[in-house]
Amino acid sequence: GQQLNQSPQSMFIQEGEDVSMNCTSSSIFNTWLWYKQEPGEGPVLLIALYKAGELTSNGRLTAQFGITRKDSFLNISASIPSDVGIYFCAGQNYGGSQGNLIFGKGTKLSVKP
Amino acid sequence: NAGVTQTPKFQVLKTGQSMTLQCAQDMNHNSMYWYRQDPGMGLRLIYYSASEGTTDKGEVPNGYNVSRLNKREFSLRLESAAPSQTSVYFCASSVRPGTVVGYTFGSGTRLTVV
Repeated sequence: GQQLNQSPQSMFIQEGEDVSMNCTSSSIFNTWLWYKQEPGEGPVLLIALYKAGELTSNGRLTAQFGITRKDSFLNISASIPSDVGIYFCAGQNYGGSQGNLIFGKGTKLSVKP
Repeated sequence: NAGVTQTPKFQVLKTGQSMTLQCAQDMNHNSMYWYRQDPGMGLRLIYYSASEGTTDKGEVPNGYNVSRLNKREFSLRLESAAPSQTSVYFCASSVRPGTVVGYTFGSGTRLTVV
């Protein structure tokens, strides 16, 4: 089945630094999504990308849908302590029989004040 | 704005015991899903229900059963719990399969099997 490779697995950064993480796949997706999971909670959708090349921002977060449709990245600028959590990428295809999300294994972000 | 509600939030079971995890959504979504989350493994799909009256296996269905009780509720049952089922379980819902919007998740059930 389809698999996503998400990197890095974990990051330890200083408050104020920028963060970059990415996701790659061996097959194409129609939609790329980025979720954030805070401790003790379920994942929450941050950004959804619908077409190749699309660049979308949500506050300090910026995500791009790769031109090949096989990758996506997420940048966080000027990190703050509340950015701590696990960030998941997810790919989705629609128009097929299921359209289920395929998740990466997550990037755990730690921010030192 | 309840969204997706899961009960219980925490549970400890002995090996061989059975239990049912409950999930309900109030967004009039058609599709519902059960995932498990283990350290370093991300989210893995156990079962899903594309619409009321249908259920299908996901990536890791062994040891689990599901029931789509009605449009709102989707339960996950462990008939004979095993330590390998110690995990955090998430229920999610979406308008329908293939919707471009993604899923809404509950806050999880933390299950420990001893």
